[in-house]
Amino acid sequence: KQEVTQIPAALSVPEGENLVLNCSFTDSAIYNLQWFRQDPGKGLTSLLLIQSSQREQTSGRLNASLDKSSGRSTLYIAASQPGDSATYLCAVRTGRRALTFGSGTRLQVQP
Amino acid sequence: GAVVSQHPSWVICKSGTSVKIECRSLDFQATTMFWYRQFPKQSLMLMATSNEGSKATYEQGVEKDKFLINHASLTLSTLTVTSAHPEDSSFYICSAPDGGGSSYEQYFGPGTRLTVT
Repeated sequence: KQEVTQIPAALSVPEGENLVLNCSFTDSAIYNLQWFRQDPGKGLTSLLLIQSSQREQTSGRLNASLDKSSGRSTLYIAASQPGDSATYLCAVRTGRRALTFGSGTRLQVQP
Repeated sequence: GAVVSQHPSWVICKSGTSVKIECRSLDFQATTMFWYRQFPKQSLMLMATSNEGSKATYEQGVEKDKFLINHASLTLSTLTVTSAHPEDSSFYICSAPDGGGSSYEQYFGPGTRLTVT
């Protein structure tokens, strides 16, 4: 059974810092990995999708890497802003078509 | 990107009543949709896979008679919480994949917050 772990569970940083969120998964036979953002009481916003054959994806200040063999992904946020404050979720797709989610990292960026 | 809508966005109901939640893919067809549940400060847990024209597949521990799923068309899946109890209070989110093969991306609805009093 696939298990996804995210570290740290919570993170508070001053505005402007670069930061890294970590995601690990136990079954490396994944099809793809998605990073999502969730604001309090809201739904999910997809940030980046990395296919199993890819090593990284970039969107603006966000960069996600994938090391499938070691079961790890990182989300790098450059020059963090207060508007980046949210919960960030990592999810992987393995054999079945649904996603398995990590427990999330709650990010607070202090102005 | 593809859009998935949910209705209602929030609902309050009394214990013992039933509540129906709709999930629609607005600009693409979805033969499969997924229903997730999220308790406060926890992650999303898959409840069931909704299949157009056939029975839903439920995850272990999810009561199929309590959470009725109907996927009557290629753009609509409904989740009915029957005889709701306070412990059913949660955030329910649906998703649908767009694209084929192994590379598709999943699109999520905005979620429905259910409160059972």
